[in-house]
Amino acid sequence: AQSVTQLDSHVSVSEGTPVLLRCNYSSSYSPSLFWYVQHPNKGLQLLLKYTSAATLVKGINGFEAEFKKSETSFHLTKPSAHMSDAAEYFCVVSPQGGGYNKLIFGAGTRLAVHP
Amino acid sequence: DAGVIQSPRHEVTEMGQEVTLRCKPISGHDYLFWYRQTMMRGLELLIYFNNNVPIDDSGMPEDRFSAKMPNASFSTLKIQPSEPRDSAVYFCASNRGSSYNEQFFGPGTRLTVL
Repeated sequence: AQSVTQLDSHVSVSEGTPVLLRCNYSSSYSPSLFWYVQHPNKGLQLLLKYTSAATLVKGINGFEAEFKKSETSFHLTKPSAHMSDAAEYFCVVSPQGGGYNKLIFGAGTRLAVHP
Repeated sequence: DAGVIQSPRHEVTEMGQEVTLRCKPISGHDYLFWYRQTMMRGLELLIYFNNNVPIDDSGMPEDRFSAKMPNASFSTLKIQPSEPRDSAVYFCASNRGSSYNEQFFGPGTRLTVL
């Protein structure tokens, strides 16, 4: 069975400090992995995606994520948080192969950034 | 590119009424997805289409929900009759070439059923 677990429902950081949002996945097949961001009252926007190329993936707004197969993790990081980063972040897995075509969303992590 | 367009952005209706949500995907995209987002259940895929044909509707909660895609540029999600537990934000998304690729989301329709 395919699943995604976001290990923290809420993360709070100070502006200028590093951000770490944790995600573990379970997939029977080699997965594609995504991080999406949702600002209040907005749709979801893709931050970055992993599709079996480089394991360190760089995205928009200074975010990056590292695919670690041995740990089944795909944590999202940013060296220095900005106030505009406050939003909800979703880790998403899309299992490749097996004819399974759905995106599976994690429960989300709400990031708060304090001055 | 205007992105995925959804209408209305907000809908308030009374229990028992019919509700129709609309979506215009990005031009050239051949996959279209309908999602529902609630606090309790998070984001759930309801149904998706490929080349206007429904491929998987296993996420549709019950017979009160129906979705159509009469052409490549328009889709509807209908709830009849609506119930208070249908209150949620409904998102439409589209992509090109494969359901594994990045999906582009619309701004959503916030539905409130009183």
